[in-house]
Amino acid sequence: DGGITQSPKYLFRKEGQNVTLSCEQNLNHDAMYWYRQDPGQGLRLIYYSQIVNDFQKGDIAEGYSVSREKKESFPLTVTSAQKNPTAFYLCASSIDRGTDTQYFGPGTRLTVL
Amino acid sequence: DAKTTQPPSMDCAEGRAANLPCNHSTISGNEYVYWYRQIHSQGPQYIIHGLKNNETNEMASLIITEDRKSSTLILPHATLRDTAVYYCIVRVGFQKLVFGTGTRLLVSP
Repeated sequence: DGGITQSPKYLFRKEGQNVTLSCEQNLNHDAMYWYRQDPGQGLRLIYYSQIVNDFQKGDIAEGYSVSREKKESFPLTVTSAQKNPTAFYLCASSIDRGTDTQYFGPGTRLTVL
Repeated sequence: DAKTTQPPSMDCAEGRAANLPCNHSTISGNEYVYWYRQIHSQGPQYIIHGLKNNETNEMASLIITEDRKSSTLILPHATLRDTAVYYCIVRVGFQKLVFGTGTRLLVSP
């Protein structure tokens, strides 16, 4: 089956620890994205990548870091500098920069204790 | 990005058509209208998109007014599984998707 996978579904971490969220896609999409969603709110863009070895900051990049070493993988690290890391994190991908339709993974719910 | 306005919530009886409106009065000529939905605690699901003409797929129909200032998403025969938050988004080219708070659709038996 083709699609986007995120793991784990639920993640708990202690305050002050860095944590890395996984996002993998086998759709052969060039572009990938990370969003954050807080309760009752819409999605906010953290980082996006249009091609391997390239990525740009979104609206709320502070306290987060990403890498794009492989086309199919776009991991997100939530660092200790992120003041309010508890949220629902969503990864998405699209065919290329000229294609607008984004397809989303199931999300990871991060809780920092 | 053009701003969109949607009602916060709507109700629909199972088996009836659900018509979800969206206003986008500042839309530019080359901006597409996209609809996504999000079932509780899941990732958003793409539904449909269009530029000028009405569009239909296996999930829904999209009706865009001639002046393009508003659109309506139609779920022809709503089921309980269609209960979700529906987001209307306008964008052009390679841009981030700007999700507002959407319309919470409740389909009841």
